[in-house]
Amino acid sequence: QKEVEQDPGPLSVPEGAIVSLNCTYSNSAFQYFMWYRQYSRKGPELLMYTYSSGNKEDGRFTAQVDKSSKYISLFIRDSQPSDSATYLCAIYRFFWRGKLIFGQGTELSVKP
Amino acid sequence: EAQVTQNPRYLITVTGKKLTVTCSQNMNHEYMSWYRQDPGLGLRQIYYSMNVEVTDKGDVPEGYKVSRKEKRNFPLILESPSPNQTSLYFCASSLSPFYRKGRANYGYTFGSGTRLTVV
Repeated sequence: QKEVEQDPGPLSVPEGAIVSLNCTYSNSAFQYFMWYRQYSRKGPELLMYTYSSGNKEDGRFTAQVDKSSKYISLFIRDSQPSDSATYLCAIYRFFWRGKLIFGQGTELSVKP
Repeated sequence: EAQVTQNPRYLITVTGKKLTVTCSQNMNHEYMSWYRQDPGLGLRQIYYSMNVEVTDKGDVPEGYKVSRKEKRNFPLILESPSPNQTSLYFCASSLSPFYRKGRANYGYTFGSGTRLTVV
């Protein structure tokens, strides 16, 4: 079983829609959860993080972790064409010395 | 400008011909890492380093070597490239790979990528 799994999509939504992107992970000991965004032909860039369970909000983006079900979510409200990108979840454990595991990434397209 | 610089951006080479992809960061980051990205497989970590002279194998280290002799540089070496190493490679660096309270900077900063083709 992969340590983190993510539906690769692609996902296509109309502008203004609420987008839900999800990952599941296998090990309940994972502590730190992040979302990266990757535009076409660019390197990934950090978007948000959450630690342990709960929500974190930043503008139109909300990151959520449900540790009981080992589920990570990213919600995008009022989606814009500029949000079209691949979104990757990532997990980290405190003693990992720099190891960071990514999901496969979900390709999102927001149509005007 | 704070950045991670990889060279070359594009490389086509032949099987067995040793090559080095350079990576340099100007942010005084302790952590550095190499990833490869393949369709359907996502980003997979090759090697990572938490400081000078400290390196660890990631999920797909076979066929690759790294060295961390200086804090700013982390070259990726393919001693005998094979076609299955054709991929998009990313170097990344970080002050801290995860959020720490009181630290403004965390998470990996990625370079622009190196597209490698081995024929």
